[in-house]
Amino acid sequence: NAGVTQTPKFRVLKTGQSMTLLCAQDMNHEYMYWYRQDPGMGLRLIHYSVGEGTTAKGEVPDGYNVSRLKKQNFLLGLESAAPSQTSVYFCASSLGLARNEQFFGPGTRLTVL
Amino acid sequence: GEDVEQSLFLSVREGDSSVINCTYTDSSSTYLYWYKQEPGAGLQLLTYIFSNMDMKQDQRLTVLLNKKDKHLSLRIADTQTGDSAIYFCAESMNTGFQKLVFGTGTRLLVSP
Repeated sequence: NAGVTQTPKFRVLKTGQSMTLLCAQDMNHEYMYWYRQDPGMGLRLIHYSVGEGTTAKGEVPDGYNVSRLKKQNFLLGLESAAPSQTSVYFCASSLGLARNEQFFGPGTRLTVL
Repeated sequence: GEDVEQSLFLSVREGDSSVINCTYTDSSSTYLYWYKQEPGAGLQLLTYIFSNMDMKQDQRLTVLLNKKDKHLSLRIADTQTGDSAIYFCAESMNTGFQKLVFGTGTRLLVSP
């Protein structure tokens, strides 16, 4: 099993450009999450999904959109990138049970110039 | 608020014990977790504790939970250089689904 994978690993964008980050999991997990990690701020939840075809806003959703068309994939889109979106983005998945152990991908480092 | 607080930095010598502390906010949290992040990698679950427990031991790791003070700690015995990483505590919050709220992370540096 590959677990949770993310593409790309690194990306540099100019302000105003758009891009999509892809997350894939092969553990048949119902729940998937997108976080951003910034220095001194821990992980903040951007959006999450509790099943195929569903999405919901997390703590910091502005400027991002998501889609979960297939159970194994969760896409994070930036329509018009801003320097404030420079961050490391992590995808995670979980079974969604009470214990809710989340499994994380390796991260995508995004720089917006 | 949903603040989970940790000290930012801890430095120890190889062979010593490390204690990383965390305070959380939600007294109804069912599970509390410790995650480890090595450089350039994602977070990996180290251990967790159920809220009705005071202590959990797992090889070199000991988790202590003080529910009255909402305080969680992770003790690493015989700390090794390979333990150098960022350690995050997280609490589960029942907000319709089991949301995890992470602390800011404690960077542990182990020197030889």
